[in-house]
Amino acid sequence: DIQMTQSPSSLSASVGDRVTITCRPSQSINSYLNWYQQKPGKAPKLLIYAASSLQSGVPSRFSGSGSGTDFTLTISSLQPEDFATYYCQQSYSTPYTFGQGTKLEIK
Amino acid sequence: EVQLVESGGGLIQPGGSLRLSCAASGFTVRTNYMNWVRQAPGKGLEWVSVIYSGGSTYYADSVKGRFTISRDNSKNTLYLQMNSLRAEDTAVYYCARDIRMDVWGHGTTVTVSS
Repeated sequence: DIQMTQSPSSLSASVGDRVTITCRPSQSINSYLNWYQQKPGKAPKLLIYAASSLQSGVPSRFSGSGSGTDFTLTISSLQPEDFATYYCQQSYSTPYTFGQGTKLEIK
Repeated sequence: EVQLVESGGGLIQPGGSLRLSCAASGFTVRTNYMNWVRQAPGKGLEWVSVIYSGGSTYYADSVKGRFTISRDNSKNTLYLQMNSLRAEDTAVYYCARDIRMDVWGHGTTVTVSS
């Protein structure tokens, strides 16, 4: 199974900050990497698919990059509604494993 | 409108069985990859199972042999049959469309407890 390691596990930041979250799979997954945002009590929401493609309706301040074994999610200028937990997930091979999550909190 | 609505969750004793349903609207379940994902209380997301458009099915090791994913094309509905339930299966269960999980239901809660 492919293990997904996200860092950091938690992050405190301020509105307007630029934030980067990293995801490292235990083996190469080409660009089969998706990013999700989840707010408390809600279902996850797809932000980025195929490592760098922005899902329809998602603000352009979200971006993804990387391939192989090193991926990043960047939020260029944090907005109040961005404070949530973020997960990466590989869709290269089953089981389609998720990272452990990064909780983004207000500083 | 593209939508997924889960149902069937509840409180069940260890060793019991439950069948979850995921009713789709606005698209065809049969022509999409469909997933089940769960989230234990206070924990992260765990992928559970997928059924491909061609009918192939795959499972997480934690549920293999106990859970079965299926679909009813006439009802445009996805199912998860859960047998031999354990306390560690307690979670919110979500269905999600496609390999990139672009559409999610609101989730249904399964609690396994005596």
